[in-house]
Amino acid sequence: AQSVTQPDIHITVSEGASLELRCNYSYGATPYLFWYVQSPGQGLQLLLKYFSGDTLVQGIKGFEAEFKRSQSSFNLRKPSVHWSDAAEYFCAVGHNTDKLIFGTGTRLQVFP
Amino acid sequence: DAGVTQSPTHLIKTRGQQVTLRCSPKSGHDTVSWYQQALGQGPQFIFQYYEEEERQRGNFPDRFSGHQFPNYSSELNVNALLLGDSALYLCASSLPGAGGSKTQYFGPGTRLLVL
Repeated sequence: AQSVTQPDIHITVSEGASLELRCNYSYGATPYLFWYVQSPGQGLQLLLKYFSGDTLVQGIKGFEAEFKRSQSSFNLRKPSVHWSDAAEYFCAVGHNTDKLIFGTGTRLQVFP
Repeated sequence: DAGVTQSPTHLIKTRGQQVTLRCSPKSGHDTVSWYQQALGQGPQFIFQYYEEEERQRGNFPDRFSGHQFPNYSSELNVNALLLGDSALYLCASSLPGAGGSKTQYFGPGTRLLVL
């Protein structure tokens, strides 16, 4: 079955610290992978995406993610977190039909 | 360039009523998808419209129906509302073209509360 797992429900980091949010997927075909961010009461904003090619992708707001096929993972990273990064982060997988399958999200809290 | 817009922003209904939510896609986009996001959960795919037809459907009952207009805007209708239908309803649009998982851009959502 197709699925996305985000093992960490809630992560707390200090401002300026590095960040890694985990995402594992189960998908029968070559996946297209996405990370979205959602601020409280808001819609989803695309951070980055991977379709093919270089497995390290750069996104907006200083985020990057690395696709590791052998581990079925697509972890999101940021070297130095800012207080404004506090939000909910969703990993999603899709393929030819555009239907996206989302994980349950990771809530990021940033302490000053 | 306007992004995806949705209306209304908030809505309160009672059980058994019917509701219509509206979505205008990003300029140049012709495909509209709808998602339901329950509190504390990730979005769940409801259905997708392309060329005014439902192209794909998720695991939602027939109470959930939709429509796409010639200008690519879309409506989501939910009949016989249940308490469990309370959620944030997200609309997403994507570029035209056949095949491939094109990037979906999301609107701000409509928050529906069923009492």
